[in-house]
Amino acid sequence: GEDVEQSLFLSVREGDSSVINCTYTDSSSTYLYWYKQEPGAGLQLLTYIFSNMDMKQDQRLTVLLNKKDKHLSLRIADTQTGDSAIYFCAEIHSGNTPLVFGKGTRLSVIA
Amino acid sequence: KAGVTQTPRYLIKTRGQQVTLSCSPISGHRSVSWYQQTPGQGLQFLFEYFSETQRNKGNFPGRFSGRQFSNSRSEMNVSTLELGDSALYLCASSPPRGTEAFFGQGTRLTVV
Repeated sequence: GEDVEQSLFLSVREGDSSVINCTYTDSSSTYLYWYKQEPGAGLQLLTYIFSNMDMKQDQRLTVLLNKKDKHLSLRIADTQTGDSAIYFCAEIHSGNTPLVFGKGTRLSVIA
Repeated sequence: KAGVTQTPRYLIKTRGQQVTLSCSPISGHRSVSWYQQTPGQGLQFLFEYFSETQRNKGNFPGRFSGRQFSNSRSEMNVSTLELGDSALYLCASSPPRGTEAFFGQGTRLTVV
């Protein structure tokens, strides 16, 4: 079955790097996503990676994918207080299948 | 380009009532998906519509239903509300030939 696991909490100091980890069980996952949710808001798509890629960088965000270990990580460089939010990892098999989400990691940034 | 719009933002209903939530996708997007978010269960997929047809369905009881109109706007309906239906209901739209899903702000439903 499909399952996406994330640690629930992460606390970092402002200016440090944050690394949020995710593991998934379905080896047929084709796309993996990172979403951000701020209090009282919907989900904001941050970035995504295709399963044949190892890494994707977008400004302060770096996504690393280890397909062998089914491990995905999101690194946020120079973390700011505005990065405090819940981060969700999600995966799909193809464009016509629904997203399967992890439970989310709550990132707290300490000034 | 306007984002995904969900209305209303907040709703309070009584057990046994029914409720209809609305979602307007990003212009040009024909796929609309609905998710329920609760503290205990996290984000769970309800259903997906594409070109007015239900393409995928999650594991929810028949009290949860939806539809999509010719302009791609979608509605979901929950009948005979239960306390456990209290949740944030999120709608997402996806572009043609794209796999990204863009979410609205959600509708917070409280059942009392």
